[in-house]
Amino acid sequence: RKEVEQDPGPFNVPEGATVAFNCTYSNSASQSFFWYRQDCRKEPKLLMSVYSSGNEDGRFTAQLNRASQYISLLIRDSKLSDSATYLCVVNRGYSTLTFGKGTMLLVSP
Amino acid sequence: DGGITQSPKYLFRKEGQNVTLSCEQNLNHDAMYWYRQDPGQGLRLIYYSQIVNDFQKGDIAEGYSVSREKKESFPLTVTSAQKNPTAFYLCASSMGSGGLYNEQFFGPGTRLTVL
Repeated sequence: RKEVEQDPGPFNVPEGATVAFNCTYSNSASQSFFWYRQDCRKEPKLLMSVYSSGNEDGRFTAQLNRASQYISLLIRDSKLSDSATYLCVVNRGYSTLTFGKGTMLLVSP
Repeated sequence: DGGITQSPKYLFRKEGQNVTLSCEQNLNHDAMYWYRQDPGQGLRLIYYSQIVNDFQKGDIAEGYSVSREKKESFPLTVTSAQKNPTAFYLCASSMGSGGLYNEQFFGPGTRLTVL
């Protein structure tokens, strides 16, 4: 299994749709997890830190299943401005992170 | 405004030249990081520093060098030994080791092109 693996996408959805991104990680000792979004030719920006079994922030819900080494991100009521690449990120120790390749989301009118 | 700055935004280099990319932060963060991103690829860690005057190699350190003389600054030198230097270079910082949720925050990046 790769260190961090994500659906490659792209995901094409209409405005208002609900979309879910999946991510698996290989290091069972990982303790913290994040979702970042990256707009085209820009830097990644922190979207959510994933706590315990999961957490919610407005339209965004992140879930963590440690037994299955699986993280998900759910976006409800998609907006045009949600179009971006979503990066699954896992802490691998010594404050270093491993980044997935990202899943591209395209929200259309 | 607190944040991370990188300069220049775009950099062109001739083969055989060394170039230095600047990264400055005023977030009072202890840890700083350098990544490179190639098209369609995830970020790969080049070097990181958890404290002033100390740094460690990441996954792809060959052909790169860094220094950490000040808490605020972590410049990256891309040497002529780096075989494929054309990439998007991203600097990040975080509060430092010890915290469980040690989020990293990124600068706007430098696009390096070797001519």
